[in-house]
Amino acid sequence: QVTLKESGPGILQPSQTLSLTCTFSGFSLSTYGMGVGWIRQPSGKGLEWLANIWWDDDKYYNPSLKNRLTISKDTSNNQAFLKITNVDTADTATYYCARIRITPFDYWGQGVMVTVSS
Amino acid sequence: DIVLTQAPLSVSVTPGESASISCRSSKSLLSSKGITSLYWYLQKPGKSPQLLIYRMSNLASGVPDRFSGSGSETDFTLKISKVETEDVGVYYCAQFLEYPYTFGAGTKLELK
Repeated sequence: QVTLKESGPGILQPSQTLSLTCTFSGFSLSTYGMGVGWIRQPSGKGLEWLANIWWDDDKYYNPSLKNRLTISKDTSNNQAFLKITNVDTADTATYYCARIRITPFDYWGQGVMVTVSS
Repeated sequence: DIVLTQAPLSVSVTPGESASISCRSSKSLLSSKGITSLYWYLQKPGKSPQLLIYRMSNLASGVPDRFSGSGSETDFTLKISKVETEDVGVYYCAQFLEYPYTFGAGTKLELK
């Protein structure tokens, strides 16, 4: 059974760094072809892809967020991470992690709400 | 970036009737391997998105066969036959042909 669960700080101030964790089970990020992606959704709005990390540590980022994103993984503990530096109110959203196997985003976490506010 | 344009933005359907949602891509989504990298997701109210259709026309596991996907290289359709109350939510198309991955703006399906 594949499950994913996101965790994060809940609220943070502008200019701080947002650190998110995706803890998963039912698959391994050391398995050939496996990946995890991060997607976010401001309240009442659409979905925005942020980043992917693959079993071989290959990484891809959405260039719209320029150099603010860093994705990483801890294979031993079945976790993936996303950091967003220098946040502002536009980063307020629900953040999802999702599995990528043959089909991208076939399983999603429940999402974690993040609010950026002074 | 590949832009996906969905239409309509909202649709109201009587239970038991059918509904169609369009997704148009700014670029062909046909890969060199012959795979059309267009996907459909449903986000039910208060829930995470769930995969409905992969590679334009393949039904994801557990998805009722009332759902079907079709299209060409740039124009795609999600059809829901005999809409049920559990089909309410926002439908998104997405492309995973190239980075950055992109999603359509979403189509909200409501019941009459």
